[in-house]
Amino acid sequence: DIQMTQSPSSLSASVGDRVTITCQASQDISNYLNWYQQKPGKAPKLLIYDASNLETGVPSRFSGSGSGTDFTFTISSLQPEDIATYYCQQYDNLRLTFGGGTKVEIK
Amino acid sequence: QVTLKESGPVLVKPTETLTLTCTVSGFSLSNARMGVSWIRQPPGKALEWLAHIFSNDEKSYSTSLKSRLTISKDTSKSQVVLTMTNMDPVDTATYYCARILEYSYGSNYGMDVWGQGTTVTVSS
Repeated sequence: DIQMTQSPSSLSASVGDRVTITCQASQDISNYLNWYQQKPGKAPKLLIYDASNLETGVPSRFSGSGSGTDFTFTISSLQPEDIATYYCQQYDNLRLTFGGGTKVEIK
Repeated sequence: QVTLKESGPVLVKPTETLTLTCTVSGFSLSNARMGVSWIRQPPGKALEWLAHIFSNDEKSYSTSLKSRLTISKDTSKSQVVLTMTNMDPVDTATYYCARILEYSYGSNYGMDVWGQGTTVTVSS
């Protein structure tokens, strides 16, 4: 099974900061990578699919890039409502795997 | 509006079998290019995918839990059922069902709508 390694596991940033999270796959997954946001006590929400496509209704300050094994998720200007844990997820050969998550906090 | 709702026991004993039901609305379990996944999250830990089932009845299971899981669907009732045998305290978690949708012409799948989750505790 493909393993997904996310980093950092947590970060603290100020409102307005640019925040970057990385996700590395254990083998080439092309651009078949999705990103989710999970706020405390809530179910996850799909933000980005196919590495860089924004789900409908998701603010444009969120973006994703990458292909192959290395992927990046960016919040261009951190807002208080972005406090959450973010997960990457890949699909390969009928199976899905999630990264370990990145907890984003306000400094 | 697409919604999914999980139901099942709050508490199960070690060695028992867990049966969870996901009732969907706003879409049909016979719709092509979509299905239902089950995902769990132990307290304070990451998400873990368990299984999914598609409209054509194609099923897939987590490699590590495959021997304990069974997923099935009843299209007429709009329900997907997951059973997990031989429950252990480490299986204590919030269990989510979610709609899984095809992207990239079937090369990528993601979960676009999630249920609220149901918390299951395994304890004697």
